[in-house]
Amino acid sequence: EAQVTQNPRYLITVTGKKLTVTCSQNMNHEYMSWYRQDPGLGLRQIYYSMNVEVTDKGDVPEGYKVSRKEKRNFPLILESPSPNQTSLYFCASWGQGASRLFFGSGTQLSVL
Amino acid sequence: GENVEQHPSTLSVQEGDSAVIKCTYSDSASNYFPWYKQELGKGPQLIIDIRSNVGEKKDQRIAVTLNKTAKHFSLHITETQPEDSAVYFCAASIGDDKIIFGKGTRLHILP
Repeated sequence: EAQVTQNPRYLITVTGKKLTVTCSQNMNHEYMSWYRQDPGLGLRQIYYSMNVEVTDKGDVPEGYKVSRKEKRNFPLILESPSPNQTSLYFCASWGQGASRLFFGSGTQLSVL
Repeated sequence: GENVEQHPSTLSVQEGDSAVIKCTYSDSASNYFPWYKQELGKGPQLIIDIRSNVGEKKDQRIAVTLNKTAKHFSLHITETQPEDSAVYFCAASIGDDKIIFGKGTRLHILP
């Protein structure tokens, strides 16, 4: 079954404690991306990757890091989380060009 | 920068009536326009998409129309049902490989 798997589903942490949200896809997609969803703001892109070792900033990259060492995995790293990063996060993947995005089930992050 | 405007932000319709959500985009080079549905507790899922060489596309109760001259596209849901209650996002392609989203419409189907 084609899917994007992200973990964990829920995460509560404290300010400054480094965390990683994992994302994996089984469709051999070239493109992967992270979004955050906040009320009234829709889906905003954090970072995206066009292929292994190729990443670029989205619209709201401050405070986040990503890596793409393998085609299937695209972890999101918060080196020093702050309360304004409390949000619902989605990972997505897609094939070449502008095409259908496949989303994970989301990670609800709370930074206290 | 490029953006996609989506209206309304909230829409309530009586079960069985039609719902229409409208979007405008800024990049005249955009050529792919998907619509996503997000149910509670889930990630967005594609429900229909249209490319710029087509003016209208229909899939059962769902249809999308595109007006490239006006840079405007719309989602139409007919004979609405309770399971249509969700958040809907329109999106438009930017360049060869990027998609930007509207801010979403929360659709309520009233019994």
